[in-house]
Amino acid sequence: EPEVTQTPSHQVTQMGQEVILRCVPISNHLYFYWYRQILGQKVEFLVSFYNNEISEKSEIFDDQFSVERPDGSNFTLKIRSTKLEDSAMYFCASSAQSSYNSPLHFGNGTRLTVT
Amino acid sequence: AQSVTQPDIHITVSEGASLELRCNYSYGATPYLFWYVQSPGQGLQLLLKYFSGDTLVQGIKGFEAEFKRSQSSFNLRKPSVHWSDAAEYFCAVGLTGGGNKLTFGTGTQLKVEL
Repeated sequence: EPEVTQTPSHQVTQMGQEVILRCVPISNHLYFYWYRQILGQKVEFLVSFYNNEISEKSEIFDDQFSVERPDGSNFTLKIRSTKLEDSAMYFCASSAQSSYNSPLHFGNGTRLTVT
Repeated sequence: AQSVTQPDIHITVSEGASLELRCNYSYGATPYLFWYVQSPGQGLQLLLKYFSGDTLVQGIKGFEAEFKRSQSSFNLRKPSVHWSDAAEYFCAVGLTGGGNKLTFGTGTQLKVEL
């Protein structure tokens, strides 16, 4: 079964540094998402992306965050200047359509630790 | 705004025992309802979903969930738990027109004793 793959599995960075989290969605999927889970808290929606544009973003997704589909396969989340509170598990997901009938397929996540 | 509550943070059951994980939601209309499971080191996997129709839905791995409108609940059940079911379980809701954007609960960590 096709999978969403995320790299790296764990990233440690210093406060103020830029990080790029990478995701390869399922190849025939058109809709892409980032969610995050701060330790002990809920999984939270960050952003959805379709046709090279952000479809929706949460209030968490401020100017420090950006997403990009630099080529035909990768989908990236960039945090420009990391803060301690950005430490979390970041999940990439993809779906064939934007409706709930087309379920989200999640990757295994990237654990980001900001020191 | 909609919210999802999973009142049990941790649950421990013996292998072979029945399981019920609770989920309550707050929303003016009937949302789209989901249960996901996260095994250690893995991503979130969809167990089952409810959109409309029969209020008892069957999912993968022998799980089922029942939608009760009067209680705003969508509890997950399994008649006989296996050790491999040990994982974290998340209830989630989606709103009409929400474009696959989900609101998750805080999760319930299931431990299975042999």
